[in-house]
Amino acid sequence: QSVLTQPPSASGAPGQRVTISCSGSSSNIGSYTVDWYQQLPGTAPKLLIFANTQRPSGVPARFSGSRSGTSASLAISGLQSEDEADYYCASWQESRNGKYVFGSGTKVTVL
Amino acid sequence: RLFESGGGLVQPGGSLRLSCEGYGFTFRTSGMSWVRQIPGKGLEWVASISADSGGTYTADSVKGRFSISRDNSENTLYLQMNGLRADDTAMYYCAKLGGFAVLNLELDSWGQGTLVTVSS
Repeated sequence: QSVLTQPPSASGAPGQRVTISCSGSSSNIGSYTVDWYQQLPGTAPKLLIFANTQRPSGVPARFSGSRSGTSASLAISGLQSEDEADYYCASWQESRNGKYVFGSGTKVTVL
Repeated sequence: RLFESGGGLVQPGGSLRLSCEGYGFTFRTSGMSWVRQIPGKGLEWVASISADSGGTYTADSVKGRFSISRDNSENTLYLQMNGLRADDTAMYYCAKLGGFAVLNLELDSWGQGTLVTVSS
């Protein structure tokens, strides 16, 4: 069972906006920044959003992230067919030996 | 820019050492990590190491069995895996951290992974 909770699936028609939630606690999202990863079918994960809201170069502006308290969200605006993938949130967690925790993942389907 | 090797089939209780070579960036100033994924399942962080090996962090699920290390002169990251179990079967990805240290940094570049299968 993942420390960070995500909905298992989300969907939308091309051009629509889809939002994925990520719920954590004060020991992870409440204390550290949140990152988001996209994993296209059969490929390695790719960094999509880091430090809650920052997009690496090359990531389209239709992807955006936010954080509030112990939760975070990823929004995809203007959904495109190539956005069909698994999306994972992640954050560091306070512990005796720091650890990086991932959400359970959300499968986005473009209708 | 990251190339993993060393995966394969190993019997329960056996050992493997995974390697990850980094190209196209300054390896000696980048923290590094290992992440694994059971086929069809989600991502699980395994271990991380700072650029100078001064800080290492290991998941509870592998602590005492796996160890992360690096050789900056060879631009190579390692994961020594001992006491392998069936539930260690997964694709193992090497990933670069977004800075020198480890904590509060993202995994900004990933390799294609190497498959480890633990079975008799």
